[in-house]
Amino acid sequence: EAQVTQNPRYLITVTGKKLTVTCSQNMNHEYMSWYRQDPGLGLRQIYYSMNVEVTDKGDVPEGYKVSRKEKRNFPLILESPSPNQTSLYFCASRGGLAGFYEQYFGPGTRLTVT
Amino acid sequence: DQQVKQNSPSLSVQEGRISILNCDYTNSMFDYFLWYKKYPAEGPTFLISISSIKDKNEDGRFTVFLNKSAKHLSLHIVPSQPGDSAVYFCAASVPRGSEKLVFGKGTKLTVNP
Repeated sequence: EAQVTQNPRYLITVTGKKLTVTCSQNMNHEYMSWYRQDPGLGLRQIYYSMNVEVTDKGDVPEGYKVSRKEKRNFPLILESPSPNQTSLYFCASRGGLAGFYEQYFGPGTRLTVT
Repeated sequence: DQQVKQNSPSLSVQEGRISILNCDYTNSMFDYFLWYKKYPAEGPTFLISISSIKDKNEDGRFTVFLNKSAKHLSLHIVPSQPGDSAVYFCAASVPRGSEKLVFGKGTKLTVNP
């Protein structure tokens, strides 16, 4: 089954404790992205990757890092989480020749930073 | 500066009637527009899209209209069904070469039986 998986689905952590949210897709997609969803703000793109070792900033990259060492994985790293990073995070992927209409989203990771 | 705006946070309609969700944008470089649907506890799913060279795209009960001069697009759902109750996001992309996708804040649609 074609899917995007994220782990963990729920995470409560404390300020400053480094964490990683993993994202994996099994569709051999070139493009992957991370978004955050906040009440009243909709979905905002954090980072995206157009292929292995190719990443770029979205609209709200501050406080986040990403890496794309393998095509299937695109982890989101919070080196020193802060309460304003409490949010619902989505990973997404699509094929290089596909349009955004073929973008698949993961189920989401709800992060709470206290 | 919000480039994609959905000014109605919520909309309530009766089953069988038409639902109209609106979206405005400011960046004339956007070349492709999409609507995503999102249920609670799930990721967004693609619903329908339109290229900037068209003014209408239809898929079953869903039709998207684009008015480039007004920088406005709308999603029509006819007839509305209770299962359509969800949050709808409008999104826009720039021409090829960028993976950037800009979303609106979303409109929560409730279809009452």
